[in-house]
Order: sequence, then structure tokens, then C-alpha cells
Amino acid sequence: EVQLVESGGGLVKPGGSLRLSCAASGFTFPNAWMSWVRQVPGKGLEWVGLIKSKTDGGTADYAAPVKGRFTISRDDSENTLYLQMNSLKTEDTAVYYCTTAHQGAFNYWGQGTLVTVSS
Amino acid sequence: QSALTQPASVSASPGQSITISCTGTSSDVGNYNLVSWYQQHPGKAPKLMIYEDNKRPSGVSNRFSGSKSDNTASLTISGLQAEDEADYYCYSYAGSSTWVFGGGTKLTVL
Repeated sequence: EVQLVESGGGLVKPGGSLRLSCAASGFTFPNAWMSWVRQVPGKGLEWVGLIKSKTDGGTADYAAPVKGRFTISRDDSENTLYLQMNSLKTEDTAVYYCTTAHQGAFNYWGQGTLVTVSS
Repeated sequence: QSALTQPASVSASPGQSITISCTGTSSDVGNYNLVSWYQQHPGKAPKLMIYEDNKRPSGVSNRFSGSKSDNTASLTISGLQAEDEADYYCYSYAGSSTWVFGGGTKLTVL
């Protein structure tokens, strides 16, 4: 059974940093493209970014609102995905979901972790 | 990159069929066969319902179908059931290694 478990969310001040983790199990993590999607409570979904498998180059792409501030990385030895968030803004407040990305779609989702950026 | 356009809400009675549209441009929806659809119940993570425009993942009811014409993708749900009441989102590749969601549609089963 595929499981994605996010952690690391919490309250942070504007301008601060936070690192989210996503522990993956039930599939061959090193072969998987992975993504982060966020959702402001009560609002719609927003793609944050994606990281390819190392065999496909291991590069990451980002949505314009987070480019230059957020970094997606992966530790294939630990089956873990990360999202390093720097220079956080109030508009980054959202539930952050970790997902698998396959054939242009998000097949599996974690339960999400809430990030609140507030002074 | 602008969000794809979906109606804010749709409603229908049990047993009826509904179609949710997702309008993009020739740079995203119209240029790639990479539209997917997600169902989200309150307080839950989204669930993949359709991928690559019209393919259904294993385990998804065949009452759900996807189609596309030019720059508009559509999700059709036939034989509406109470448990279909949820928010639905479309999603598409937009070129240049970017992806975009629709604004979401709230489906009410009357």
C-alpha cells in the first residue's frame, strides 16, 4: 500500500524558513517523480513544484510564486521528499500535500501538513 | 500562468448526469494530452479520477469519464450518487515545465 506522510508544518513568522518532509513507502521511491501541491484552507489547489527521479535527471521545477524561495530535494536512501521554504510570506499559508507524479497526474497524495505564516 | 477556468458550482439530482468544463488555452489544455481531474471531499486529500484527458485509474467508477475538445476539457459524471458530492479540480501541463490547476467546481447532489 502506498503511503505518503508529511511532517514539519507549523507556525512561522514572515521572512522565516521551514522544511517539510514526506516519508514514502509502498512503492519504488527512487523511480518516482514527486511533487508538492498546496491549498489555502477553503480555497483551490495550487501546484508548487516537482522533482524528477535521478534516472531522469533529478531536476526540479517550480511554480512562479515560489521560484527562488522554495527548494525541492529528495533522499532516495531514506525514501524521503523535502520542501525547503525560505523567505516565507503570509500568502504561503496553506496545507501542503506531497504527491507522486506519473503520466502527468498526481496518483497518490499524503494527508497534508498545515503551514501558517503569521506574525 | 493563469489558472484554468471552471464553473464555480454545478448541481443535479441523483441519477442524472453532469458535465464540468475546464477551459484553458492552446498553450496548455489544447496543446497536450495531459489533463487530469481530481475529486476532493471536505477535509480529505484529493483523489485522481481521470488522467491523460480520458483515462480512468484502476478502481475509479466507470460513471466518471473525461473528454476534450480544442482548449476545453470536460469531466462527465453519469448516474449521480450522493457520494459524488465534492469539489472537482482539473489540472494540465502548461509547457515550459509548469503545470496549472483549475479554480475548482463544487458539485451539489440535490
